[in-house]
Amino acid sequence: SQKIEQNSEALNIQEGKTATLTCNYTNYSPAYLQWYRQDPGRGPVFLLLIRENEKEKRKERLKVTFDTTLKQSLFHITASQPADSATYLCAHPALNTGFQKLVFGTGTRLLVSP
Amino acid sequence: DTEVTQTPKHLVMGMTNKKSLKCEQHMGHRAMYWYKQKAKKPPELMFVYSYEKLSINESVPSRFSPECPNSSLLNLHLHALQPEDSALYLCASSQGIPPGRQDTEAFFGQGTRLTVV
Repeated sequence: SQKIEQNSEALNIQEGKTATLTCNYTNYSPAYLQWYRQDPGRGPVFLLLIRENEKEKRKERLKVTFDTTLKQSLFHITASQPADSATYLCAHPALNTGFQKLVFGTGTRLLVSP
Repeated sequence: DTEVTQTPKHLVMGMTNKKSLKCEQHMGHRAMYWYKQKAKKPPELMFVYSYEKLSINESVPSRFSPECPNSSLLNLHLHALQPEDSALYLCASSQGIPPGRQDTEAFFGQGTRLTVV
């Protein structure tokens, strides 16, 4: 079965530093990966999508990379702020579902301290 | 309007009750989803409606019954739930998957926090 692994331990960093979160996937190569942010008790919010033929994608302070050889995506937040504290989920479409089903990783909780 | 609206925000129900969760979007999206999320776990897909037709049912127990009355509305009817069904229920929508297009992001609602007593 398709599995997405994210570091289950919380990532604690200081304000102003770059946060780097990891997403590793197994068993098949998805056409794209998505990253979402989720605050406690709220629904996930879409941040970025990167396709298999793209190595890097940027949006303001966010950067995502996609290494199909390593089966890994890295999510970077530069100049991090306390407001960036949240759980970050990566997701990819499940195989053979016509891209209708997203499989989510377990998420990594990011804590940015002032 | 880029919102998915879910009601109610909180719901407490007994095991013999019947209740419904509602979801609405006005973005013209043709795919709508129900997810279930337990604490500290990722969202898990329950149902997908594509162009108002049920296209995926992830072997969800029949005490959960989805309904898509039109392209903007999605309901989840609940009956005879168990305490282990307590969770955050998330509705989402996306543009749908027209031929030739593979990727589309999902817009999630704020969720309904369901407690079964």
